[in-house]
Amino acid sequence: QVQLVESGGGVVQPGRSLTLSCAASGFTLSSYGMHWVRQAPGKGPEWVASVSYDGSKKYYADSVTGRFTISRDNSKNTLWLQMSSLRADDTAVYYCAQEGDYYGTLIFDFRGQGTLVTVSS
Amino acid sequence: DIQMTQSPSSLSASVGDRVTITCRASQTISRYLNWYQQKPGKAPKLLIYAASNLQSGVPSRFSGSGSGTDFTLTISSLLPEDFATYYCQQSYSTPTWTFGQGTKVEIK
Repeated sequence: QVQLVESGGGVVQPGRSLTLSCAASGFTLSSYGMHWVRQAPGKGPEWVASVSYDGSKKYYADSVTGRFTISRDNSKNTLWLQMSSLRADDTAVYYCAQEGDYYGTLIFDFRGQGTLVTVSS
Repeated sequence: DIQMTQSPSSLSASVGDRVTITCRASQTISRYLNWYQQKPGKAPKLLIYAASNLQSGVPSRFSGSGSGTDFTLTISSLLPEDFATYYCQQSYSTPTWTFGQGTKVEIK
């Protein structure tokens, strides 16, 4: 079955860096666009970044542009999110999500438990 | 960015009640609207896509409607497992997809 396992979260000081990983299994990663979506405590989800199936196109939310980098290695079935210059408002559970296209509508398919990033001194 | 506003932010209901949640977009999004359910400590789960299409495996007591800027999610008869938080999400504006702030359905 489809599984996405996020890891790499933790407590980090403001201004520091952290890299999240998402291990994919149960499907052919190279066939899907992938996304990172985060959710701050008590808030709705927020789309953070996306990468096309082949890694050629990358998009970022304004709130993370210039600080976060999304990447993937289809041969390793892994997605990453490199985060730098972290701020308190980056504190959230980070989910990776498989992209789906249903009748022309993009949906997020969340199959993992997320990883918590806490930015605090 | 397109802003998604849900109402109410929370509601209390009893098992068997009919529940309606509203989502309004800050500009027209045609029918590019999805609904998710989230339970504590879990990731969001897709319920409805393209405004009114039921995701495979989702019970038929859930339904969605709307187009343009105004959308609704209806649970026809609330069951205990339906107490959760519900989010709408627009997929009209690529690549800046946005979610609503959520509606928490609590037990009365």
